Amino acid sequence: EPEVTQTPSHQVTQMGQEVILRCVPISNHLYFYWYRQILGQKVEFLVSFYNNEISEKSEIFDDQFSVERPDGSNFTLKIRSTKLEDSAMYFCASISLAVTDTQYFGPGTRLTVL
Amino acid sequence: AQSVTQLDSQVPVFEEAPVELRCNYSSSVSVYLFWYVQYPNQGLQLLLKYLSGSTLVKGINGFEAEFNKSQTSFHLRKPSVHISDTAEYFCAVSFGNEKLTFGTGTRLTIIP
Repeated sequence: EPEVTQTPSHQVTQMGQEVILRCVPISNHLYFYWYRQILGQKVEFLVSFYNNEISEKSEIFDDQFSVERPDGSNFTLKIRSTKLEDSAMYFCASISLAVTDTQYFGPGTRLTVL
Repeated sequence: AQSVTQLDSQVPVFEEAPVELRCNYSSSVSVYLFWYVQYPNQGLQLLLKYLSGSTLVKGINGFEAEFNKSQTSFHLRKPSVHISDTAEYFCAVSFGNEKLTFGTGTRLTIIP
């Protein structure tokens, strides 16, 4: 069964450094999402992406964040200058055009900012 | 705007006992309703979903949920839990391919 994959599984970085989190959505999926989950808190929406542009973004998704689909398979989330409060689990999700009601999630990347 | 409330942050249950995890939502439009499960150190897995039609939906691992429009609820139930059901359970709502709005989660702990 096809799955959403994410790399790395765990990333440790110093405050102020740039990080890129990578996701490979399911191959025939065309809507992509990033969510984050701060330890002990609920999962929060960050951004949705369709047709090579952002469809919607939350208040969390400020100028420090960007998303990109650099090729036909990868979907990346970049944080330009990480802060301590960016420490969280980041989940990628995708939806197909055929079945638009269900998002399939990757296993997540745990980002630790020191 | 949509919101989801999971009033129980933690639910301890004895093995083989029934369990109900509560979820209430608010929305000005019709929404899709979901339950996701997160096992320790893992990602989010879809348990079940309600889109339309029959208000009782069955999911994986013996779980089911009932949509109640008048009470704006979507409670999750299992008649007999197992140790392997220990996990965090998240209720969520969305509309079509729009973002998911999650509740704060319920940690289900199974007592042997």
